[in-house]
Amino acid sequence: KQEVTQIPAALSVPEGENLVLNCSFTDSAIYNLQWFRQDPGKGLTSLLLIQSSQREQTSGRLNASLDKSSGRSTLYIAASQPGDSATYLCAVYSGGYQKVTFGTGTKLQVIP
Amino acid sequence: NAGVTQTPKFQVLKTGQSMTLQCAQDMNHEYMSWYRQDPGMGLRLIHYSVGAGITDQGEVPNGYNVSRSTTEDFPLRLLSAAPSQTSVYFCASSYKGGEWFSGNTIYFGEGSWLTVV
Repeated sequence: KQEVTQIPAALSVPEGENLVLNCSFTDSAIYNLQWFRQDPGKGLTSLLLIQSSQREQTSGRLNASLDKSSGRSTLYIAASQPGDSATYLCAVYSGGYQKVTFGTGTKLQVIP
Repeated sequence: NAGVTQTPKFQVLKTGQSMTLQCAQDMNHEYMSWYRQDPGMGLRLIHYSVGAGITDQGEVPNGYNVSRSTTEDFPLRLLSAAPSQTSVYFCASSYKGGEWFSGNTIYFGEGSWLTVV
């Protein structure tokens, strides 16, 4: 059974700092991995999708990397801003309609 | 473009009561699903649908029913509410089924907070 872990569960950083969020998964046979952002009281918003054949994806200040063989993905946020404060979740897709497994998320607080 | 709309946003139920969480999307998506989010457990799939008239169970289907009579709507019914069903429920949709998660953006509703007392 696929398990997805995100450590740390919470992170607090000063504004302007570069930071890395981690996601690890136990079964490397994945089709892709996706990073989401969740604001309090809101749903999830897709940030980046990395296919299994890709090593990384970039969108603005965000860069996500994928290392299937080691079962790891990282989300790099450059020059963090208070508006980046949210919970970040990763999810892996292992094929079929059901086989999407979400991590429990990292709650990020960026302090002005 | 409304995206995925869920109602109600908050609900308190008594044990044994039944209710329906509504979900509608206006993007003509084939794939719709319901998740529950509990502290420390991530999102877990309850039921999903790959098109009108087609539904199937996810990881935690017990105590819930779904139907998909139209492309737009995918209601989730709690048959006899239990305190264990206290959770935040999210409806999600994506353009197509099959390899739906592969390259297709997933759209989530804003969630429905349900408390069963």
